[in-house]
Amino acid sequence: AQTVTQSQPEMSVQEAETVTLSCTYDTSESDYYLFWYKQPPSRQMILVIRQEAYKQQNATENRFSVNFQKAAKSFSLKISDSQLGDAAMYFCASPNFGNEKLTFGTGTRLTIIP
Amino acid sequence: DAGVIQSPRHEVTEMGQEVTLRCKPISGHNSLFWYRQTMMRGLELLIYFNNNVPIDDSGMPEDRFSAKMPNASFSTLKIQPSEPRDSAVYFCASRSGTAYEQYFGPGTRLTVT
Repeated sequence: AQTVTQSQPEMSVQEAETVTLSCTYDTSESDYYLFWYKQPPSRQMILVIRQEAYKQQNATENRFSVNFQKAAKSFSLKISDSQLGDAAMYFCASPNFGNEKLTFGTGTRLTIIP
Repeated sequence: DAGVIQSPRHEVTEMGQEVTLRCKPISGHNSLFWYRQTMMRGLELLIYFNNNVPIDDSGMPEDRFSAKMPNASFSTLKIQPSEPRDSAVYFCASRSGTAYEQYFGPGTRLTVT
C-alpha cells in the first residue's frame, strides 16, 4: 500500500469484551497483503494476522479476526474475549509491491480494563 | 525454530562513540530489514537487503550510518560517530522469498548521552 492510516490513537476495552481497531489504506495494486502487528510493552513486534486481498474470506486466528472491505479499502482487526495480555500497540501494515517495503500505520494503543 | 536474534538488547554510549548493532535473521530467509522506532517518527525503514545485497538505503539518515550483510546469517548496523538524536529502538526483521510478512527481532534500545 502507498499509505496506511489508523485513525484511533488509543482504545480501551473491558476484559472479556470485544474491540475493533480500524485501518484504512490506499493502493493502486489489484493484489496485495495486509497485516496486523502487535507490540506489547516488551517492544517485540509480533505478527498477529495476515490477509491476502484476492481472498474474499476474512482471516481468523483464534480470538483475532479481520473485517476486510476491499472496495472501501478498510482492514479492521476484531479482538474477541479481550485478555489482559492483549494490551499493546497495534500496527496495521502492508507491503509496497516492487520494493518489498512495509508501510506501517501510526498505531493504536489498546488498554484492557480489568 | 529460533526467531530473529539481535544483540545487544540495550546499549548506552556517549556521544561520539561508535555503536554496532547485530542481527541474525531466521534461517532460510533471504531478505533483511533494519528499522528505527522513535516516539516522534514511529517506525522508519533504514535499509534492506536481498540475498545479502543492499537494495534500498534511502532511509539511512546520514553518512554516520552504515550497514553490512557479509553472509546470509549476519548483518550489522553501525553508527559512527553516535549522537543523542540517534537514541531509539532499532529493529531487525527478516522475510522469506515466498512470503510478504516480516518477522521482527526483539530490538536494541540505544541511548546516546
